[in-house]
Amino acid sequence: AQKITQTQPGMFVQEKEAVTLDCTYDTSDQSYGLFWYKQPSSGEMIFLIYQGSYDEQNATEGRYSLNFQKARKSANLVISASQLGDSAMYFCAMRESSGSARQLTFGSGTQLTVLP
Amino acid sequence: NAGVTQTPKFQVLKTGQSMTLQCAQDMNHNSMYWYRQDPGMGLRLIYYSASEGTTDKGEVPNGYNVSRLNKREFSLRLESAAPSQTSVYFCASKWTSGSLFSYNEQFFGPGTRLTVL
Repeated sequence: AQKITQTQPGMFVQEKEAVTLDCTYDTSDQSYGLFWYKQPSSGEMIFLIYQGSYDEQNATEGRYSLNFQKARKSANLVISASQLGDSAMYFCAMRESSGSARQLTFGSGTQLTVLP
Repeated sequence: NAGVTQTPKFQVLKTGQSMTLQCAQDMNHNSMYWYRQDPGMGLRLIYYSASEGTTDKGEVPNGYNVSRLNKREFSLRLESAAPSQTSVYFCASKWTSGSLFSYNEQFFGPGTRLTVL
C-alpha cells in the first residue's frame, strides 16, 4: 500500500486565489511527521511546512498552511493568494518514528501551475 | 555555509560504466541519505546512513553501493550502470536526535542528473 498518496497529478489556479493540494497518508505509528516540499523547475527541493502528529494546531508558515485531519489521515497543503512563483511540483512526505534514520517517504507529487 | 553539495551536476554514462556521485554537508548533521527521482514516482530512498560508520538499504538499493567516508561525506557508487538508473539523484542530510517528538528538517542538495545510454 502507498504510504503517501497525492491524487492530483496537476492543478491549475488563478493568480491571487487560494489552492489546496491533497495528501493522504498511511501509517500505524503513533508518532510521525508530515512535510511539504516545493520543487521548482530548477530542480532543488525546498522545505515548506511541517506538521507533527501530536501537534494540536494546524501548521502555518506565511501563505502556506497545512490542513491536518488526523482521523482521516490527510495533510492537505493550502496556499493562499497564489503567486506566479508558486508554479512548481509539490511533494508531500512523511517521517515515521520507527526506523533508525527516520527517512522521508514521498508522494508522487502535484504539478501546480499558477495562471496570470 | 554551503549546505549540501553534490558533484557532478550532470553526467552521461554508457551501459556498464561505473561512477561515483559525491555528496558533502557542512551542517554537522549525523544522518545522510541518497534518493532517486523518476517521473511520476516522487523521491525514493536508495541508501541512508543514520550516523558516521553505518549505512543501510532503503527502498531501491539494487545496483548501488554507498560509503560514509566521514561525518561530512556520503558517496553513491554505480558499479555497472544500466539505462534503468537514468534518474535525478538527490543527497540529503539532517540531524537525527533520540527524541521521537523532535523534528528536524531534511536538507537537500541540488541534485545530479544522470543519463545512462
